[in-house]
Amino acid sequence: AQTVTQSQPEMSVQEAETVTLSCTYDTSESDYYLFWYKQPPSRQMILVIRQEAYKQQNATENRFSVNFQKAAKSFSLKISDSQLGDAAMYFCAYSAYSGAGSYQLTFGKGTKLSVIP
Amino acid sequence: NAGVMQNPRHLVRRRGQEARLRCSPMKGHSHVYWYRQLPEEGLKFMVYLQKENIIDESGMPKERFSAEFPKEGPSILRIQQVVRGDSAAYFCASSPTGRGYEQYFGPGTRLTVT
Repeated sequence: AQTVTQSQPEMSVQEAETVTLSCTYDTSESDYYLFWYKQPPSRQMILVIRQEAYKQQNATENRFSVNFQKAAKSFSLKISDSQLGDAAMYFCAYSAYSGAGSYQLTFGKGTKLSVIP
Repeated sequence: NAGVMQNPRHLVRRRGQEARLRCSPMKGHSHVYWYRQLPEEGLKFMVYLQKENIIDESGMPKERFSAEFPKEGPSILRIQQVVRGDSAAYFCASSPTGRGYEQYFGPGTRLTVT
């Protein structure tokens, strides 16, 4: 079974600084997707960034970028120029064909990010 | 283009009652996933449905839980005889293809069992 591990339950960063959130995963699949979701206090799940496993180039979305190390099964999220609105829970997630007909997302337990003014 | 709608947003039920959670997918989407988020946890997959069919229910508890996605109307997650352990946030995600990279989440329903 696929598992996603986030080893940092909580992190904090000073406003305007850079922070990196860690994620590792376990899979025997070669074709899969990885995601970072943000969950603010409103509980809405917001897609931050996604990475296709077959792409070697790391995905980037404005201030958000990933470091995808396929051999190490590592997928970290870097947030640059942190803003107060970045404070939230961040979930790493994995998706691949399940064999039962679905592509369900498997989530880590999350990292709570605080941004210090 | 309206996003994924879930209602109610908050639901309070006493132990032993039934809970019905509704999910209206985005227009044109015929695939729905349901996930449950227990306190201090990540989301966990429950069931995947296409219109009129349950495709994968491997994450669904064996008893008391059921889901449907009729030809017309929203997808419904039904929990019979709720217990305190059912208290959680329930999210649905709709998709035009069912693929993992194309799941759009609703705002969730927070179920509280008293």
